[in-house]
Amino acid sequence: AQSVSQHNHHVILSEAASLELGCNYSYGGTVNLFWYVQYPGQHLQLLLKYFSGDPLVKGIKGFEAEFIKSKFSFNLRKPSVQWSDTAEYFCAGGPGGGNKLTFGTGTQLKVEL
Amino acid sequence: GAVVSQHPSWVICKSGTSVKIECRSLDFQATTMFWYRQFPKQSLMLMATSNEGSKATYEQGVEKDKFLINHASLTLSTLTVTSAHPEDSSFYICSAREPPDWSSTDTQYFGPGTRLTVL
Repeated sequence: AQSVSQHNHHVILSEAASLELGCNYSYGGTVNLFWYVQYPGQHLQLLLKYFSGDPLVKGIKGFEAEFIKSKFSFNLRKPSVQWSDTAEYFCAGGPGGGNKLTFGTGTQLKVEL
Repeated sequence: GAVVSQHPSWVICKSGTSVKIECRSLDFQATTMFWYRQFPKQSLMLMATSNEGSKATYEQGVEKDKFLINHASLTLSTLTVTSAHPEDSSFYICSAREPPDWSSTDTQYFGPGTRLTVL
């Protein structure tokens, strides 16, 4: 079965700390992977996406993610977080060329001043 | 960028009544839209895929007679929760799939969600 898992449910960091949020997927063939962010009171916004090509994907607001096929992972990273990065982060995946997305359970990130 | 709107943003209704939620793609045509449900502190669960001009495809466990989906045009899909009960209270989110091209295949853009409370 297709699945996406996020291992960190709650993460608390100080400003300027580095961030890495884990995401693992299980799909049989080609896969499209996404990271979405949901700021408090706002709707889901696309941070970045991977379809093919360069496994290191750069997104908005200084975020990046690396697709490691051998580890079935697509971890989200940011070298230096800001207070404004406080939000919930969702990893999602779907079969290449397909429609449906499966979401991970989300990671609540809190950045303290 | 692609913008998706939902209306209403929140609704309170009495048990047994029906509620209609609209999802619109504002600056692009979407042949495919999706309806999700999000429980507090939980992830999004796909309920159904809405296809313009054809019947929606429901996920396992979702009652199609309870959650009626109509995708009447390339910019509008509606979800009607029929005979709503308190357990239907939730946050309903729609997304629209931007038409596939070489740079944006399979990307979904999400609406702001509709908070439904059934008394």
